[in-house]
This record gives sequence, C-alpha cells and structure tokens, in this order.
Amino acid sequence: GESVGLHLPTLSVQEGDNSIINCAYSNSASDYFIWYKQESGKGPQFIIDIRSNMDKRQGQRVTVLLNKTVKHLSLQIAATQPGDSAVYFCAKRAPGQFGAGTQVVVTP
Amino acid sequence: DVKVTQSSRYLVKRTGEKVFLECVQDMDHENMFWYRQDPGLGLRLIYFSYDVKMKEKGDIPEGYSVSREKKERFSLILESASTNQTSMYLCASTIGGGQGTYGYTFGSGTRLTVV
Repeated sequence: GESVGLHLPTLSVQEGDNSIINCAYSNSASDYFIWYKQESGKGPQFIIDIRSNMDKRQGQRVTVLLNKTVKHLSLQIAATQPGDSAVYFCAKRAPGQFGAGTQVVVTP
Repeated sequence: DVKVTQSSRYLVKRTGEKVFLECVQDMDHENMFWYRQDPGLGLRLIYFSYDVKMKEKGDIPEGYSVSREKKERFSLILESASTNQTSMYLCASTIGGGQGTYGYTFGSGTRLTVV
C-alpha cells in the first residue's frame, strides 16, 4: 500500500546549524507534498509545499528537495533556532497520509 | 486570521458514553477532515467531507461517525467511547472541491481521555 514516512524519530541539532529532515514515499503517482511543523500543544502548521514537477523549492530559511527517482524528499532548515524545535511531518495532498514525524530538538 | 476551532482542548469521558467533538472553520472551505494522532503512529485519517451532508471514510473509521449539516461545521461522533479511542483528535480544512485539495489548516486539537 501507499505510505509516506519519515526516516528518524528524533533529530538533535545545535543552534545555528542546518537541519535536514528526510521523508520517503511509496506511490510514484503522488504529485504534491507538504511539510508541516507541529509545536507542543498545537495542531500542525503548513511550512512549505512542492509539486512533483519541481526538484527544489525555497522559502524563508527552509528548502524542500524532491528526488522522484528514489522517492525521497527532504526539508532543510538553515541556521536552526530554538523556535524550530517541533515535530515535522511530510504528507501528500489532502486527504493525505502522514508519517509519525521527526522531533527536532535544538540545543544551545 | 483564519481559523479552525475545536470546541474543547481536553475531554474526559467514560467508557460507553456517546462523545461529540466539534470543529468549526471560518474560511468557507469545502473540505474538512478528522484525524487522530497517537505517539509513534503519526496522524491517521478517520473521516473527511468534501461537501455538506457528504462524508467519506478514511483509514480508520471504525467506532466513529461524522456529521456535516453546515459547511463550516464538521462533527466527529464516538458512538460508544472505548479506552482505545483515547487520543489527540485533530480537525482540518482545505479549500477546493473534490480531490484537488492542497494544504491543510489544522485546529489546535482535542485531547480525549476515555476512562
């Protein structure tokens, strides 16, 4: 069956370093992916999206890379800050599947 | 600021009770969704709706039903609550009709404990 999942449950990053969060998917027909950030006690919030006809998309301090050959996408956060501590999910278009998420912990 | 509002942040209910979780969005979105979130399992889709009085089963609909009488309101119903339904419930909405939908706007969640 189809699945979207993240590679690591926890990622510890030093403040100021870059973070890379990875995600794999199984359905080649998936045409749209979204990254969400969920802070403690809140619902997930949209960060950035990418369509399957793109390889890369940049936002403010975030970049998403899509490799359709190996069915992999990643979220890169530049100069990670304490406010980036959260759980990050990748998902396909609604009604989307979500992985378990990666907990990013930013250390001083 | 656009919003998806879930009526309760925390609920404690007894086994066998009928439970209603309410969700309201003020964005005039066509599509609404209910997920549950459990540690290690991520978000799992329970039910969704693309229109008023319309509903579709998600991946784990057993033990749940939904109601969408008005566009802005989507209710999740636990007909007879059980302890395995203790979870965080998240409501979400998206713009657009049918399957041409994009990113969600989520509510803050309702943490339900069934004792």
